[in-house]
Amino acid sequence: DTGVSQDPRHKITKRGQNVTFRCDPISEHNRLYWYRQTLGQGPEFLTYFQNEAQLEKSRLLSDRFSAERPKGSFSTLEIQRTEQGDSAMYLCASSSSIGQVVYEQYFGPGTRLTVT
Amino acid sequence: AQSVTQLGSHVSVSEGALVLLRCNYSSSVPPYLFWYVQYPNQGLQLLLKYTSAATLVKGINGFEAEFKKSETSFHLTKPSAHMSDAAEYFCAVSDQGAQKLVFGQGTRLTINP
Repeated sequence: DTGVSQDPRHKITKRGQNVTFRCDPISEHNRLYWYRQTLGQGPEFLTYFQNEAQLEKSRLLSDRFSAERPKGSFSTLEIQRTEQGDSAMYLCASSSSIGQVVYEQYFGPGTRLTVT
Repeated sequence: AQSVTQLGSHVSVSEGALVLLRCNYSSSVPPYLFWYVQYPNQGLQLLLKYTSAATLVKGINGFEAEFKKSETSFHLTKPSAHMSDAAEYFCAVSDQGAQKLVFGQGTRLTINP
């Protein structure tokens, strides 16, 4: 068990550019979540997948944001036409679910995005 | 809708003293409750969780929390603070289905030598 990994750890981009982040969950976990954390705040839910299906999206996820989990393994989060307000830590988490039971989420180290 | 309120954005205690971090929740369904710790520039680490079993939950690093339905609280305690406990602590609530977490604002714990 190598834990949840995220790449890159840091990204600096200019306003208007597109960025893509990757998350590799714990291998046996079928659920994958994305959260956003701004300075001094708790993480806020963005979206989650069960296997390859995206089951819920937050209103925070504007049409400039898109997330995929094509084969039910790793996931990508893309932000198009970045704005300064997108600057935040983007956290990925994974968990397993068996029937009605959903187990705790394990978080990755995060990707810190700075939009200049 | 679910929500969490953490009372006190900053808590400072002396090394060896009792740590008490407060969390109150709101939920229209029986909640699952969690405490996570975050060290600088790192992700979140689960300290403990309540999932409708025992109301007194023991976690890692000597932390524990008690679920009190009548008070809608889930306060985190540790009998004796250690310097390594200095970090940001987050309380979170979820329903029993999606387990989408709703976090509080966080409490920064400082330990004085």
